[in-house]
Parts: sequence; structure tokens; C-alpha cells
Amino acid sequence: SQQGEEDPQALSIQEGENATMNCSYKTSINNLQWYRQNSGRGLVHLILIRSNEREKHSGRLRVTLDTSKKSSSLLITASRAADTASYFCATLGGTSGSRLTFGEGTQLTVNP
Amino acid sequence: GAGVSQSPRYKVTKRGQDVALRCDPISGHVSLYWYRQALGQGPEFLTYFNYEAQQDKSGLPNDRFSAERPEGSISTLTIQRTEQRDSAMYRCASSLAFSTDTQYFGPGTRLTVL
Repeated sequence: SQQGEEDPQALSIQEGENATMNCSYKTSINNLQWYRQNSGRGLVHLILIRSNEREKHSGRLRVTLDTSKKSSSLLITASRAADTASYFCATLGGTSGSRLTFGEGTQLTVNP
Repeated sequence: GAGVSQSPRYKVTKRGQDVALRCDPISGHVSLYWYRQALGQGPEFLTYFNYEAQQDKSGLPNDRFSAERPEGSISTLTIQRTEQRDSAMYRCASSLAFSTDTQYFGPGTRLTVL
């Protein structure tokens, strides 16, 4: 079963705008990872945030983690058309051990 | 260095045939994982190895699915007597050390069972 649930399922914005995607999960975790998948291509790792961290930055990406609410958010600032992709959160640890448990993803479309 | 590679990239087979999917992890990575991804869904865990030892195979859907990593490097996922419901993208990932590290994914093998 999928532990992570992304919200929204689909998001369409204009180039230059910010995009925020949320992820909720059910059980305790060791870390939470965000991945991007372009149409028909592989999964690319974006960022990992550990359970004892609250916020992390990487370039135009900002990830937050609230373990009390079992939720995370991914913010992409100043979006580009090339950011168009599906974004997945995946949790690792807790009862799921070493497996990554993925959500169903958010489809982001950035219009030029 | 090179990333995770998988072969074949595409496999079309007839129902009832056996297929073997290969994964070559990043050199030096201890852990290797197999996932299956249906269209429009996130990947679902199948099994994983630390070195040559299969640590968790609880995600394998039934006994037609098996995996091995005999020398702690390349892994093969075998599906016997394939069925149409086995059609999916099969993804392999590897990580440097146990469990808590970033998992790097290969391009996947698209399996179609006719």
C-alpha cells in the first residue's frame, strides 16, 4: 500500500511562479525523499530530509518536514517549463524498514 | 561514474513465458532494490539485497517472482509463467550503504505481457 499521499494530484502554473506540493504519511520514518519523474523517463532523486531535520534547501528547492503532523512540503521557486514532471515523496524507515514507500505523485505542469 | 543500468529497456513477451530482468548497480553500492511501477502510480517495493543477501522479499507478489544477486553486484529479477497483470515498469535502485541512504534509480525495464 502507498503510505505517502501527495496533494494536489495535479498542479498547473505559469513559468516564474512558485509551486508547492504536499505529502502526508502514516507511520514513523527515518527520512523522507522527493523524486522527480519526467514523462517516460527515470526517477531522479531531488532531496532527502531526515526525521530530525525541519527544513532543507537545494538550489530552487525547499523541503520542510513536520513529524508531529506526519507531513512534508516541497517548494519549487521561480519555476521553469523544464520543471514539468511528476513529483513523488517517498518515506523510508519505521515499520517499512529499508524499503521506500512512495505516494502516487503530483503532476506539475509549468506553462511557458 | 556510471549510474544504475538496467537491461533490457523494453521487453515484450507472451503470456506463460519466463523473463529475466537485469540490474547493474552503481559500483561500490552495497544495497540494491527492486520496485514495480504501474502507469500513473508511484513505485512499489518488491525486494532488496545487502551485498548478496536478500534482506526483504515481502513485496514480491507471488512465488512466480524471484530475485538473486549472487556476487553482491549485478542482480536479476525473474518472473516465471508471466501473466498480463505483470505488465509494468520494473525499476532497480542502489544505495551506498544500508537502508538510510539515498536510493538512485535506473531507467527501468518496461515489460509488456501479451
